Amino acid sequence: NAGVTQTPKFRVLKTGQSMTLLCAQDMNHEYMYWYRQDPGMGLRLIHYSVGEGTTAKGEVPDGYNVSRLKKQNFLLGLESAAPSQTSVYFCASSYSNFYGYTFGSGTRLTVV
Amino acid sequence: EDQVTQSPEALRLQEGESSSLNCSYTVSGLRGLFWYRQDPGKGPEFLFTLYSAGEEKEKERLKATLTKKESFLHITAPKPEDSATYLCAVQAEIQGAQKLVFGQGTRLTINP
Repeated sequence: NAGVTQTPKFRVLKTGQSMTLLCAQDMNHEYMYWYRQDPGMGLRLIHYSVGEGTTAKGEVPDGYNVSRLKKQNFLLGLESAAPSQTSVYFCASSYSNFYGYTFGSGTRLTVV
Repeated sequence: EDQVTQSPEALRLQEGESSSLNCSYTVSGLRGLFWYRQDPGKGPEFLFTLYSAGEEKEKERLKATLTKKESFLHITAPKPEDSATYLCAVQAEIQGAQKLVFGQGTRLTINP
């Protein structure tokens, strides 16, 4: 019963590099989300998906892309990392919009 | 604009000293209010969902209540293991879809 698994847990990137964060859930949830958490800003929604093959923009989507090719996986990509993308990234999943979300343990990303 | 404000930002209590955390919100058409607990270095953990004014939910030493403008998380006779950041979130419509909007959290410390 792993729930939501995020990889990697930590990463340091140089400005302009690219990377992909992987989120995997084993609860057969339809909905998946990517949030970023910054001091004093709270959790902000980057992108989300309401099912396999679908994605949509959240509150702060600029500089990020996502894909949901399989129901259990939700990938977050940074094409050209910037220092402003230094943050802790959380993936979450839920059965529907009106149920509590299950969060992963986070990825701490530093862009230098 | 949909907003969630939590107070206080930080609260330090002695073991056994009861208190309440506040979450006030402005949202058009509340669909649900959620409370989460977040431990350092971990993802948020779902606690409660409240759907209508007057509703209450309890779990161990925690009780969540909801009015039309705010929610309270009451903690009775807390123990050191209750130390964590408590996050409040409301369902809000963003770009035509229901999403969770999070407050910045209350950092609770229980001293033995």
